[in-house]
Amino acid sequence: TQLLEQSPQFLSIQEGENLTVYCNSSSVFSSLQWYRQEPGEGPVLLVTVVTGGEVKKLKRLTFQFGDARKDSSLHITAAQPGDTGLYLCAGPQKTSYDKVIFGPGTSLSVIP
Amino acid sequence: GAGVSQSPRYKVTKRGQDVALRCDPISGHVSLYWYRQALGQGPEFLTYFNYEAQQDKSGLPNDRFSAERPEGSISTLTIQRTEQRDSAMYRCASSHTRNTEAFFGQGTRLTVV
Repeated sequence: TQLLEQSPQFLSIQEGENLTVYCNSSSVFSSLQWYRQEPGEGPVLLVTVVTGGEVKKLKRLTFQFGDARKDSSLHITAAQPGDTGLYLCAGPQKTSYDKVIFGPGTSLSVIP
Repeated sequence: GAGVSQSPRYKVTKRGQDVALRCDPISGHVSLYWYRQALGQGPEFLTYFNYEAQQDKSGLPNDRFSAERPEGSISTLTIQRTEQRDSAMYRCASSHTRNTEAFFGQGTRLTVV
């Protein structure tokens, strides 16, 4: 079974700071997705990365897929309180492409 | 509806009772997923449907858990003889086709007392 690990587990920063969170696996994934989940809500898709080395930007968020497609990072520039939430990475299992597994998440708190 | 709808939003049941959790996906969405999520953790895959066919149920914890989607739309996750360890948030997600963006419902918070 492929597993996804995320670090750090918790992150508390001041508004305006930059941060990076990581998603790692010992297995190759055909693609990885990043979701944000706010308290009391379901996860919402932010981005999907497919190609090794790919970089995608979504306003102040920059997503990178590792060259070997085993890891990904999410960098937030000038964090705002609205960025607070649980950031999850997810990817399809090699043996069952429709079975999407999630990492444990990084809980981000941005303090005004 | 506009989004994935789950009911009930909250369910408290006594140990040993059966519960049925309902998911109404976005209209026209072919794929439907069930997940279980502990507080502050990522969703844990339970099962997946393509139309009415259950494609993968490898994540169901044991034979007390079952799911169906008889007409390829609404799905029901049933837990028989509930135990306290079944207490969790149960989330449903649907996508237009396989491997496209999945939209999650707000979940059913199940508490077994």
